Amino acid sequence: DAKTTQPPSMDCAEGRAANLPCNHSTISGNEYVYWYRQIHSQGPQYIIHGLKNNETNEMASLIITEDRKSSTLILPHATLRDTAVYYCIVRVADSWGKLQFGAGTQVVVTP
Amino acid sequence: SAVISQKPSRDICQRGTSLTIQCQVDSQVTMMFWYRQQPGQSLTLIATANQGSEATYESGFVIDKFPISRPNLTFSTLTVSNMSPEDSSIYLCSVESGYKGEQYFGPGTRLTVT
Repeated sequence: DAKTTQPPSMDCAEGRAANLPCNHSTISGNEYVYWYRQIHSQGPQYIIHGLKNNETNEMASLIITEDRKSSTLILPHATLRDTAVYYCIVRVADSWGKLQFGAGTQVVVTP
Repeated sequence: SAVISQKPSRDICQRGTSLTIQCQVDSQVTMMFWYRQQPGQSLTLIATANQGSEATYESGFVIDKFPISRPNLTFSTLTVSNMSPEDSSIYLCSVESGYKGEQYFGPGTRLTVT
């Protein structure tokens, strides 16, 4: 069974912030939220992950709600190169492997 | 981070033949993973390969069809045996590296079976 729910597609204007939602209402206390993206014809790329606090790195920010049932990945200034399928995945951090990919969100950044 | 290469990058094979895909990592890693991505679909984990032990296969995947070798800590192979057109997919290897538990993926091998 899918552990996360994402919208199938989103459009975003270049230079604007892209906010990608993810629902994970059955998340367990020891499960982290991971985000990956897959640019066409490439392997998936790790973006960011978090447990309950908001996280930020050079690529994106991750906002997790207080009840941890949903999260939002924020690309602060989308570029054309951010066009990709974005996957939200929940997993136990020490579970080694086992990335269960859902359908993801196809994000298209337009000029 | 880890840099992963795969060979071949793509191949066209005839039904009934086998293809071995190689995965090379630039650092020693404990676990390597093989995924399949069918056309227009998401990724599905085939198996986990530990050095020095038998690979662990996910439901729906069997060793006779997808034998895996893991001779050392930087290399693994996946063989797609007795291929049919339904095996046409992109096959990706990945490793888990770093303290954050993130996985790094190879560029994939695009297989077409005719």
